[in-house]
Amino acid sequence: NAGVTQTPKFRVLKTGQSMTLLCAQDMNHEYMYWYRQDPGMGLRLIHYSVGEGTTAKGEVPDGYNVSRLKKQNFLLGLESAAPSQTSVYFCASSYSGTGVENEQFFGPGTRLTVL
Amino acid sequence: LAKTTQPISMDSYEGQEVNITCSHNNIATNDYITWYQQFPSQGPRFIIQGYKTKVTNEVASLFIPADRKSSTLSLPRVSLSDTAVYYCLVGALSGNTPLVFGKGTRLSVIA
Repeated sequence: NAGVTQTPKFRVLKTGQSMTLLCAQDMNHEYMYWYRQDPGMGLRLIHYSVGEGTTAKGEVPDGYNVSRLKKQNFLLGLESAAPSQTSVYFCASSYSGTGVENEQFFGPGTRLTVL
Repeated sequence: LAKTTQPISMDSYEGQEVNITCSHNNIATNDYITWYQQFPSQGPRFIIQGYKTKVTNEVASLFIPADRKSSTLSLPRVSLSDTAVYYCLVGALSGNTPLVFGKGTRLSVIA
């Protein structure tokens, strides 16, 4: 049981390049989330999904796209990277979105630098 | 979603009990309170959750007064390994609106 895994762990991009971050969970969770965390800041929600085939915008969705084609995977895409997107990206999953079953399990994070 | 306010940072010596208070004055009737812990270079992890009165688990206790406008996370006899950021979140018992993480409280435990 690997929990939540993220690929890659580190990445350096040049401005304008694109990339996709992969999040996978093996807990059969319905909900999945992508957050970004800047130095000294809390986590800000980018996008989330309440089930396979669904996505929704969070607090800071601009410049990112997501897809949830399979229940266990949640992909975060950057079409044209900008230096302002330099951050640590965390993926999380939960059984439900509310109540006692909404405990979020987080991945180890992806450290992205955009030059 | 109810807005939460918690201290930016706290210091404590090893072996002391640490209490971190979170204010959530506009908490709604169907809102519950959750605390997460984040160690450096790791994702947050769930600590404890409650709706009212007191909840205790092997890691911490959560005290919620009758008016539920605040909550206090209590960490007994902290050690250096408890140095982390602690987040207080308030969310609904139903619906799909995700919880919001604020900036949290940075706890530094000193030997």
